[in-house]
Amino acid sequence: GENVEQHPSTLSVQEGDSAVIKCTYSDSASNYFPWYKQELGKGPQLIIDIRSNVGEKKDQRIAVTLNKTAKHFSLHITETQPEDSAVYFCAALGTGNQFYFGTGTSLTVIP
Amino acid sequence: ETGVTQSPTHLIKTRGQQVTLRCSSQSGHNTVSWYQQALGQGPQFIFQYYREEENGRGNFPPRFSGLQFPNYSSELNVNALELDDSALYLCASRDQRGSTDTQYFGPGTRLTVL
Repeated sequence: GENVEQHPSTLSVQEGDSAVIKCTYSDSASNYFPWYKQELGKGPQLIIDIRSNVGEKKDQRIAVTLNKTAKHFSLHITETQPEDSAVYFCAALGTGNQFYFGTGTSLTVIP
Repeated sequence: ETGVTQSPTHLIKTRGQQVTLRCSSQSGHNTVSWYQQALGQGPQFIFQYYREEENGRGNFPPRFSGLQFPNYSSELNVNALELDDSALYLCASRDQRGSTDTQYFGPGTRLTVL
């Protein structure tokens, strides 16, 4: 099956700086890569996604890049704000038509 | 809000008991998935139902079972509870209409097994 690795596990940035979270996957058949934000006591919320026929996608302060050859994808958050503080998960839709998740990155934005 | 609801919010059970967790998906989403999320970990896929039939299962024993109903609701049943079953259980409604394939999560049920 698919194996998704995510780094770093924790990340602290100053407000206004950028944050980058990276994930790698193992299954070359995986073709859809969503990112989720999970706040304390809530379920994961989809924030952005990318499909394997696209290299980059941007939505305001959030962007995702995908390198299919290297099997890695990254989340970029610019101009970070305190409300961006949360746990972020990457995922890959792989074999068996199921989603495989990374282990999460706890992002803290320091005011 | 995702339009996916789960009940109950919290639940405390003792080892050996049985539990049923419930989920209400978005109308029109024919696929529902259940995940187990241990503290500090990512969600782990338990199984998935499409039009009331199980069509995918993760590495979980048979004491984890489920049902999906025509009204877009579903259940996760766990028998013979073990201490390690303590976790947040998430239901995800999957929109696969057209070229879309997007999951929407509910808020989860926090299960504690004593």
